Amino acid sequence: DAEITQSPRHKITETGRQVTLACHQTWNHNNMFWYRQDLGHGLRLIHYSYGVHDTNKGEVSDGYSVSRSNTEDLPLTLESAASSQTSVYFCASSAGWGSEGYEQYFGPGTRLTVT
Amino acid sequence: GESVGLHLPTLSVQEGDNSIINCAYSNSASDYFIWYKQESGKGPQFIIDIRSNMDKRQGQRVTVLLNKTVKHLSLQIAATQPGDSAVYFCAENLEGGGFKTIFGAGTRLFVKA
Repeated sequence: DAEITQSPRHKITETGRQVTLACHQTWNHNNMFWYRQDLGHGLRLIHYSYGVHDTNKGEVSDGYSVSRSNTEDLPLTLESAASSQTSVYFCASSAGWGSEGYEQYFGPGTRLTVT
Repeated sequence: GESVGLHLPTLSVQEGDNSIINCAYSNSASDYFIWYKQESGKGPQFIIDIRSNMDKRQGQRVTVLLNKTVKHLSLQIAATQPGDSAVYFCAENLEGGGFKTIFGAGTRLFVKA
């Protein structure tokens, strides 16, 4: 069965370190998204991609970067981790055509703690 | 700016009763709406969607109602079960906004046995 996976599921890192969160989907979806989820803020969009080599900034992109070298993967990098980036991170994908393109399939999340 | 929000942050219902979760959206140009369910420790999961040219859409035990006049969306769950306990998000897609989705803050549903 097709799926979307994230790794690691839990990560503790120190302020200033570079961290990369992995996202891998086997849906063959064009669109991929990264969100962070914090109490009181719901899901906020960090970066998104509509295809290979395409990346776009979301509403909370500062301090984060992504790259899309193939259809399956969209790794999220925190260049220099800050305590404000302690959060739960979700990756999602969608088909990218017609109304079905809006339905997003989410990974299980990565809980990141920056100390 | 555009926003998607919810009237009630928490809702507690008795098992077997019907649940209604409400949502307000602010952008009249939004043309597609989705309800997601998020169980503890998991990612959100698609429940049901509705396009702006519809007023009502039914799924299995769930119904979504859209009132474009007052920009209101609701999710009705029939015969609520303990497994329905979760956080429910409404979300909107903006016309011309590509495939980005804007999520509301969520409503937590508690089902009492």
